[in-house]
Amino acid sequence: DIQMTQSPSSLSASVGDRVTITCRASQGISTYLNWYQQKSGKAPKLLIYGASSLHSGAPSRFRGSGSETVFTLTINSLQPEDFATYYCQQSYTVPLTFGGGTKVAIK
Amino acid sequence: QVESVQSGAEVKKPGSSVRISCKASRGTFRNFAFNWIRQAPGEGLEWMGGIIPIPGTTKEAQKFQGRVTISADDSTNTGHMELHGLKPEDTAVYYCARGACNGGSCHVLGMWYFDTWDQGTPVTVSP
Repeated sequence: DIQMTQSPSSLSASVGDRVTITCRASQGISTYLNWYQQKSGKAPKLLIYGASSLHSGAPSRFRGSGSETVFTLTINSLQPEDFATYYCQQSYTVPLTFGGGTKVAIK
Repeated sequence: QVESVQSGAEVKKPGSSVRISCKASRGTFRNFAFNWIRQAPGEGLEWMGGIIPIPGTTKEAQKFQGRVTISADDSTNTGHMELHGLKPEDTAVYYCARGACNGGSCHVLGMWYFDTWDQGTPVTVSP
């Protein structure tokens, strides 16, 4: 199975900050990497697919980049509604696997 | 879009089975995959398996093989996931999500990302 490792597992930031979350795959996955946002008690929502494609309806301040084994999700100018947990997921091969999540909290 | 058919939370005894169903539009049923992903309390996301309703091809995580049955009903545009032999560690919220992908054979290979999710069905397994 492909292991997905996110860092950090949590962070504190202020409104307006730029935040970067890293996701590492245990083997090369090309650009088959997706990012989700989950707020407490709610279902996850897709933000980015194919490493860098913004899902319809996701704010443009979310940006994804990377390939093969190292990927990043950047949130430019953090907004109050962005405080949530973020997960990466590889869609290169089954079993489809997720990272452990990164919780973004208010500083 | 996908929507849960369940009316609320499920409470089950160890050793029993639970069936989680979700309904989709005809367009979704014909062109996308149904997937089931679970989340134990305070934990991350775990993919269990998925199905391409037409032609009915399934992909399952090895962890659940032999214990999970995934199917789709063409007459009602509904996907079903049944988990057998329930254990207390199966206590989780179970989500149905629409699987999308890009590329010619991506559906057959199960190369899905999840672009729409239902609200989730809490399942508690307790004596």
